[in-house]
Amino acid sequence: QVQLQESGPGLVKPSGTLSLTCAVSGGSISSSNWWSWVRQPPGKGLEWIGEIYHSGSTNYNPSLKSRVTISVDKSKNQFSLKLSSVTAADTAVYYCTMVRGVILAFDIWGQGTMVTVSS
Amino acid sequence: QSALTQPASVSGSPGQSITISCTGTSSDVGSYNLVSWYQQHPGKAPKLMIYEVSKRPSGVSNRFSGSKSGNTASLTISGLQAEDEADYYCCSYAGTYYVFGTGTKVTVL
Repeated sequence: QVQLQESGPGLVKPSGTLSLTCAVSGGSISSSNWWSWVRQPPGKGLEWIGEIYHSGSTNYNPSLKSRVTISVDKSKNQFSLKLSSVTAADTAVYYCTMVRGVILAFDIWGQGTMVTVSS
Repeated sequence: QSALTQPASVSGSPGQSITISCTGTSSDVGSYNLVSWYQQHPGKAPKLMIYEVSKRPSGVSNRFSGSKSGNTASLTISGLQAEDEADYYCCSYAGTYYVFGTGTKVTVL
């Protein structure tokens, strides 16, 4: 069974860059699945950030596209998120997820990591 | 790409059935049979409950069912149980991106 684990700083300064990594275990990141990031501000709903395939192909939320970069490291079986020019509005729990390729649904989720944007 | 619209809250007594609606547009819900539903308990990660409008992943109770008509998808929980009290989110594929619903808090009275 695939498991996902997010890691990265829990505090980022305004105007800085948020960087998170998701380690994939129990399966290969080179499988026929997409790897995605979803976030949830405190007390609010879910927002899709973007996704990557092991080939490096990406899709991003149009509203975040100018600030988001998702990359994959097949040698480490992990993928990463970078969100630039952050503000307090980017404070959220960030989840990494696996989108099962055939059904296009978020099948497996990491436990989530809270990132606060504050000086 | 606005969020899909869900009622803020729905409640029911144990054993009853409830239905949560999820309204999108012809660009998302109306165009793809790729609506999924997620259950989220407080402090936990979401869990996939329904995919491709009406299919259940292995291990999900058959008390959960999904449907779609036009631009609106629905999740029905039958035989409501205390453990079903949670937040529920719909999600639709929209071509090159995904859009989530606003979320519905289900309360078991």
